[in-house]
Amino acid sequence: QSALTQPRSVSGSPGQSVTISCTGTSSDVGRYDYVSWYQQHPGKAPKLLIYDVIKRPSGVSDRFSGSKSGNTASLTISGLQAEDEADYYCNSYAGSYTFVAFGGGTKLTVL
Amino acid sequence: QLQLQESGPGLVKPSETLSLTCTVSGDSISSDTYYWGWIRQPPGKGLEWIGSIYHSGSTHYNPSLKSRVTISVDTSKNQFSLKLTSVTAADTAVYFCTSVLGSVFRFHHWGQGSLVTVSS
Repeated sequence: QSALTQPRSVSGSPGQSVTISCTGTSSDVGRYDYVSWYQQHPGKAPKLLIYDVIKRPSGVSDRFSGSKSGNTASLTISGLQAEDEADYYCNSYAGSYTFVAFGGGTKLTVL
Repeated sequence: QLQLQESGPGLVKPSETLSLTCTVSGDSISSDTYYWGWIRQPPGKGLEWIGSIYHSGSTHYNPSLKSRVTISVDTSKNQFSLKLTSVTAADTAVYFCTSVLGSVFRFHHWGQGSLVTVSS
């Protein structure tokens, strides 16, 4: 059982926006602005999309954006494209004992 | 561009020790920008953080694996390594090495992954 809760799957049509949630607790997501999001295509390594809730690494499309409210962080993908079909994972800093918590992953299907 | 490459045996017997090395290229492992980390992914499952290390040797481990894990760094070879003792079939996974931006939890650059199967 993962420490952070994500929906198993989401879907959307090309051009639409989709949002993936990541729910934790007041000990991780709710306490720290240290949520990251990753995209993983089948057979590939994950790719960092968002860190510190809202920051994008150089080279990541601005179609990907992050936000947080309370114990839930969200990743929004706008202008959905076929290439966005992948698994998405969130993670959060979880304090000086646990350190890192991951979500179970969400499969995005582009219809 | 920072690149990472895992290496090590793809098959380990139960109760033995899993050993993997990550070779870093494109930057010094002694860079102040990065920690270095290991993450694993069992077949068909999600990601699990194993641990992270700074070039000074300071380490942080997943509490659930801490008793079996050692991560070390060799600055002369620009490498860091993972040892996981007393492995079982549950340790079968793709093991990724990563650069970790600024601290222990922002996993920036990833290696391609190394499948390690635990089986007799």
